[in-house]
Amino acid sequence: SQQGEEDPQALSIQEGENATMNCSYKTSINNLQWYRQNSGRGLVHLILIRSNEREKHSGRLRVTLDTSKKSSSLLITASRAADTASYFCATDGKDMRFGAGTRLTVKP
Amino acid sequence: DSGVTQTPKHLITATGQRVTLRCSPRSGDLSVYWYQQSLDQGLQFLIQYYNGEERAKGNILERFSAQQFPDLHSELNLSSLELGDSALYFCASSGGGSGELFFGEGSRLTVL
Repeated sequence: SQQGEEDPQALSIQEGENATMNCSYKTSINNLQWYRQNSGRGLVHLILIRSNEREKHSGRLRVTLDTSKKSSSLLITASRAADTASYFCATDGKDMRFGAGTRLTVKP
Repeated sequence: DSGVTQTPKHLITATGQRVTLRCSPRSGDLSVYWYQQSLDQGLQFLIQYYNGEERAKGNILERFSAQQFPDLHSELNLSSLELGDSALYFCASSGGGSGELFFGEGSRLTVL
């Protein structure tokens, strides 16, 4: 099974700043996904990047993937207070396992 | 709205009791996943079903069991409940194409 591990565990920034979160994994993947969870709510899919892609954008989100280092990063640009949430990565596989997540706090 | 429905939303029960959590996946999704999330923790993968068959098993206790029915809804049964079982239980479904998971809003279980 695959499991991503997010880093840092917690991140606190000011509104307008950029937030970068990292994910490492251990084995080969076909794709990697990022999810967001507002406190106590269900996870919401943000973006999927395939193993043959190096970078992908969606609005203020930018995801990179380095398969040689088995790592991915999620960049949120011009952060807003509403971006405050936990962010998880997950890799494909027979089961979908998530890491402990990065808890992002954006201060207004 | 993800299209995944979980019931009940909240449940309070006593130690030693048994509860059943229900999940209706998105229309057409064949895969159902169950996760447990304790307070401020990550998601623990419990079990996955695909079209009625168990496909993958994670850190699911022997006191817990699950099944997926012919109409594709799934139930997670938790028995001999302990205080430590208090958590949010999420169900997610997938259509299999990209592997994107669609999560329900969870069932919050409190064991007193």
